[in-house]
Amino acid sequence: DQQVKQNSPSLSVQEGRISILNCDYTNSMFDYFLWYKKYPAEGPTFLISISSIKDKNEDGRFTVFLNKSAKHLSLHIVPSQPGDSAVYFCAASGSGSARQLTFGSGTQLTVLP
Amino acid sequence: EPEVTQTPSHQVTQMGQEVILRCVPISNHLYFYWYRQILGQKVEFLVSFYNNEISEKSEIFDDQFSVERPDGSNFTLKIRSTKLEDSAMYFCASRVDSPLHFGNGTRLTVT
Repeated sequence: DQQVKQNSPSLSVQEGRISILNCDYTNSMFDYFLWYKKYPAEGPTFLISISSIKDKNEDGRFTVFLNKSAKHLSLHIVPSQPGDSAVYFCAASGSGSARQLTFGSGTQLTVLP
Repeated sequence: EPEVTQTPSHQVTQMGQEVILRCVPISNHLYFYWYRQILGQKVEFLVSFYNNEISEKSEIFDDQFSVERPDGSNFTLKIRSTKLEDSAMYFCASRVDSPLHFGNGTRLTVT
């Protein structure tokens, strides 16, 4: 049951360039989407989110784009820095009271100096 | 910044033994969760807890699992009789609204 999919297990980018991480979902009941970053031996850390009523949300170097018709979201990091190297998880939730998250399988981003 | 804290960081137990994983959520948070991540796999939802009762649970959360908020600050996950396949990172999380804040996890190893 892969309701949230991250098809790229890894991505390498040169420092200063743009990193683009992609995520697809299948459940049309999802209305809130989040990106988490995870370092080894730590829990997921919230990065940025977007509600389904928007198509873009920006926070500093991080921008999330949502294309509801394609059921696709992406995270752009500009400029990429070596400290951004981590596993990035896309997650989605629906409107139920618990609002539990369904996670993608993650993308390992490596930013090369 | 307030954090979700989990103890222990690593727990080793023998198959069939009971384990209790402990979490202290952020103090003003109202919703509490357990997730797990088996090595190399996705982070999976186990259970959510609100107003002193389970609000949602996944198929993974069977009769061997239970949660409790015994004293208004701790939030525990108990596995009654551990199996080898329970070996995973277990993450506690909490929120007042959004987003969910995660602890650093407990690595459970069942031998």
